[in-house]
Amino acid sequence: SQKIEQNSEALNIQEGKTATLTCNYTNYSPAYLQWYRQDPGRGPVFLLLIRENEKEKRKERLKVTFDTTLKQSLFHITASQPADSATYLCALNTGGFKTIFGAGTRLFVKA
Amino acid sequence: EAGVAQSPRYKIIEKRQSVAFWCNPISGHATLYWYQQILGQGPKLLIQFQNNGVVDDSQLPKDRFSAERLKGVDSTLKIQPAKLEDSAVYLCASSLEGFNEKLFFGSGTQLSVL
Repeated sequence: SQKIEQNSEALNIQEGKTATLTCNYTNYSPAYLQWYRQDPGRGPVFLLLIRENEKEKRKERLKVTFDTTLKQSLFHITASQPADSATYLCALNTGGFKTIFGAGTRLFVKA
Repeated sequence: EAGVAQSPRYKIIEKRQSVAFWCNPISGHATLYWYQQILGQGPKLLIQFQNNGVVDDSQLPKDRFSAERLKGVDSTLKIQPAKLEDSAVYLCASSLEGFNEKLFFGSGTQLSVL
């Protein structure tokens, strides 16, 4: 069956460290993958999109990698800050008009 | 730029009652989506409109859920009758193109069915 897996356990890190979140998928061949941030009581906010022919994408302190062989995307936040604490969602385009979201990983950055 | 507007913000109803949610997307965005997000889960697509036509409603429980997008702008999602398992946050999103890239989400309507 088709699955998207994000670490269900919360990630706790110290301020200034790099946070790395993982998105694994099975039985999909996504044309692209997106990462969103969601704060409690708010809708998700788009962060980055990476296409299948791109290995890596950066935006300020954010970096996303996409390995279509491993069927995995890694999302990195460098020099993390307490304000980065949120839930981060991975979303796959599964072809055509369909996008599937993972359940998200909660990140806590301690000062 | 104004964001995606949704109302109401919260709604509490009893099972078997009906409820409606409203969404106004970002001006000029052709594609509108309704998602259901149950606590601890990712958003699940219920229905997607391209202008005022339905692109995908394969996961919409059509025996109780309905949605429309009049004139290709704002949209309403209705549940009638509601069940306990419909308790969730209902998110509306819009995007400029029809390819599910860079979705802009509203803050959602939190529905509690008692």
